[in-house]
Amino acid sequence: NAGVTQTPKFQVLKTGQSMTLQCAQDMNHNSMYWYRQDPGMGLRLIYYSASEGTTDKGEVPNGYNVSRLNKREFSLRLESAAPSQTSVYFCASSAPTVNTEAFFGQGTRLTVV
Amino acid sequence: AQKITQTQPGMFVQEKEAVTLDCTYDTSDPSYGLFWYKQPSSGEMIFLIYQGSYDQQNATEGRYSLNFQKARKSANLVISASQLGDSAMYFCAMREGYTSGTYKYIFGTGTRLKVLA
Repeated sequence: NAGVTQTPKFQVLKTGQSMTLQCAQDMNHNSMYWYRQDPGMGLRLIYYSASEGTTDKGEVPNGYNVSRLNKREFSLRLESAAPSQTSVYFCASSAPTVNTEAFFGQGTRLTVV
Repeated sequence: AQKITQTQPGMFVQEKEAVTLDCTYDTSDPSYGLFWYKQPSSGEMIFLIYQGSYDQQNATEGRYSLNFQKARKSANLVISASQLGDSAMYFCAMREGYTSGTYKYIFGTGTRLKVLA
């Protein structure tokens, strides 16, 4: 089982460039999430999708957009990258009940120069 | 207001000893879940243990146990008989959303554990 697959694993962008981080899960999960991880700040929620067809802002949505393409796929787009968006990005998915854990992708290390 | 608080940025423990990693939380949802994740230096997020808000007993998974004190809103992770491979970052997380149906996971800032030989 692949679980949650993120692409790419590493990316370097110049300030102002755009890119899309891809995420796909094969566990038939309704809920999907995008987090960013920065030193000393833990994982902060950027956007989430509680179910196919819905997306909502998390704690740090500015500078990002998302698309829930279908039940499997949830992409994160940086329209105009800034150095402050240098981070490790994680996609996660889970079943829509309180007692189930989130399954994470391997992460994308993004550097904006 | 911060919903998950981990007050120990870093900790050391001697190999084979037990260690407790602290986590406090805040929520008004009557139904919620508490989770611990391990992140080794390789970067992946590994689920360790879960505790439900209605669970009467503390959760255990092998060498991991969760000391759940609902009245104090704490969910501390206890690792018994520490091993060198336990050296990692540990995150406490809460899933709430019973009322809103959103079921978001909120993470703490993490505790970096170093096991000494």
